[in-house]
Amino acid sequence: LAKTTQPISMDSYEGQEVNITCSHNNIATNDYITWYQQFPSQGPRFIIQGYKTKVTNEVASLFIPADRKSSTLSLPRVSLSDTAVYYCLVGPDQTGANNLFFGTGTRLTVIP
Amino acid sequence: DAGVIQSPRHEVTEMGQEVTLRCKPISGHDYLFWYRQTMMRGLELLIYFNNNVPIDDSGMPEDRFSAKMPNASFSTLKIQPSEPRDSAVYFCASSLSRPLSGNTIYFGEGSWLTVV
Repeated sequence: LAKTTQPISMDSYEGQEVNITCSHNNIATNDYITWYQQFPSQGPRFIIQGYKTKVTNEVASLFIPADRKSSTLSLPRVSLSDTAVYYCLVGPDQTGANNLFFGTGTRLTVIP
Repeated sequence: DAGVIQSPRHEVTEMGQEVTLRCKPISGHDYLFWYRQTMMRGLELLIYFNNNVPIDDSGMPEDRFSAKMPNASFSTLKIQPSEPRDSAVYFCASSLSRPLSGNTIYFGEGSWLTVV
């Protein structure tokens, strides 16, 4: 049973802000929300992680509402190099492999 | 640190042959994961280890697949006999401690397997 739901694909023009939303209705009290980015021909890499409210780093921001049933990854002013697949994961790994399931993610295509 | 190291990077083999993929996790990491990625199914977890012990192998597709971790710095994923449907990118990954609890999973560059 997948714990998260996110759009399959998104397109955006260069310079725009991109928001990718992930639904996780069954999030547990001690679960974190983690986002990974995968470029073609590479393994996924960590982008950002949060528990509640807002987290920001040099790459992205993560917005988490009070009920924590969803989260939004925000990429400011995207460039062509942000074209990648973005994965949302919820965990820790309490129940085994389910929380470590990446799936197909959201394929973001940035258009010139 | 050199990161997670996988070998071979690319392999083309004939159906029925044995394939062995190798992985060296980041030194000091307690968790090691094997993933498989295809266009249709995305990135699937096959098996993961904690302190060299297999914890969950429910993602291993069938008996043709086996994984071992004889020590903290080495793991193998073996397919015997290989079939064309096994063609995929196989990623090895490791994490310092319990994944997702504030601990990042670090991935290798992947092993691109083609079975003809």
